Amino acid sequence: DQQVKQNSPSLSVQEGRISILNCDYTNSMFDYFLWYKKYPAEGPTFLISISSIKDKNEDGRFTVFLNKSAKHLSLHIVPSQPGDSAVYFCAANNFDKLVFGAGTILRVKS
Amino acid sequence: NAGVTQTPKFQVLKTGQSMTLQCAQDMNHNSMYWYRQDPGMGLRLIYYSASEGTTDKGEVPNGYNVSRLNKREFSLRLESAAPSQTSVYFCASRTRAGRLETQYFGPGTRLLVL
Repeated sequence: DQQVKQNSPSLSVQEGRISILNCDYTNSMFDYFLWYKKYPAEGPTFLISISSIKDKNEDGRFTVFLNKSAKHLSLHIVPSQPGDSAVYFCAANNFDKLVFGAGTILRVKS
Repeated sequence: NAGVTQTPKFQVLKTGQSMTLQCAQDMNHNSMYWYRQDPGMGLRLIYYSASEGTTDKGEVPNGYNVSRLNKREFSLRLESAAPSQTSVYFCASRTRAGRLETQYFGPGTRLLVL
């Protein structure tokens, strides 16, 4: 049973527009959430995170929103750039381990 | 400061062959992890080591063994490779600072089992 779900396998956005990537989770014990970005033939790299005590965290063009009651988080990228084209993984902290979603492929068209 | 390194980058095995994937980190992290990535499945944890001298099973440990050789190195062994183990394998190490926590990943090993 997948505890972290990214229901959109792919997303296509025009350069300059907003990209919104979504993630749902089932375990209410998760206390920390992270987004990773992955380019082909490379390892994932950390992008942004949020603690369960917050509902928003912002870092430049990237903002993560957390809705605990809905067990939902989202990553907003504004404005989107062609270099943002990658696979984005949502992850939740579970004690010593991270639980990852299946990933969403983002394509930003110029 | 190389971060997390993995060898080899690519390997082809025949069913039943064995091999060891190597991982090393130079960030003095205590925890290390092995994941596999398959299409549509995300990253699934195979084994992890919370500290030197300890190892624990993750979500998909069957068919694998690990060794935490020292604080820097964490190896993954396939004793008898199967086609189902064709995947991309990532090693990661972890730091914790206050409430911040993240994992740093190596570049991956692509394994093809024929």
